[in-house]
Amino acid sequence: NAGVTQTPKFRILKIGQSMTLQCAQDMNHNYMYWYRQDPGMGLKLIYYSVGAGITDKGEVPNGYNVSRSTTEDFPLRLELAAPSQTSVYFCASRYRDTEAFFGQGTRLTVV
Amino acid sequence: AQSVTQPDIHITVSEGASLELRCNYSYGATPYLFWYVQSPGQGLQLLLKYFSGDTLVQGIKGFEAEFKRSQSSFNLRKPSVHWSDAAEYFCAVGGYSSASKIIFGSGTRLSIRP
Repeated sequence: NAGVTQTPKFRILKIGQSMTLQCAQDMNHNYMYWYRQDPGMGLKLIYYSVGAGITDKGEVPNGYNVSRSTTEDFPLRLELAAPSQTSVYFCASRYRDTEAFFGQGTRLTVV
Repeated sequence: AQSVTQPDIHITVSEGASLELRCNYSYGATPYLFWYVQSPGQGLQLLLKYFSGDTLVQGIKGFEAEFKRSQSSFNLRKPSVHWSDAAEYFCAVGGYSSASKIIFGSGTRLSIRP
């Protein structure tokens, strides 16, 4: 079991570029989440999904998009990168009402 | 609205001393409560969780937490800290509903004085 796998681990983007952060889980969890972590700010929920084909906004969704075509994958899309999106991004998954399991994070810098 | 407050940004305790990290939550129904720990540059590891039942829950690494509904609190405690406990600690709240989000507090950074 790999758990929750995030790729890439590190990425530098130029302002205005686009990219997709990948997240995959092999635990057959129905709920998946994307968070961003800024220093001193804890984790802020960007988007979440309760199953394939269903997504919803979290606390800070602006500038991001998601899709959930399969149970396993939950990619996060940045369309026009801005310096304010420099952060560490964490993907998590859980099965119904249990704790969330986290990936190791993607450190993104926008310059 | 769902929210979590961790009033202490940074705490320093001496090795061997006791520890209490505070967490207050806001949630409209019976909450699920979690404490996670994050070491520098690492992901998040679950320390313990409360879903129902006994309000004093035991976790890994000798940590425990007590759910107090009347105070909307879920404080984390450890009787004797070790240098390896230095890390960032996050309290989080979720719920029973099928569209349950998990919302995190801003974290408390724990430093250990030798």
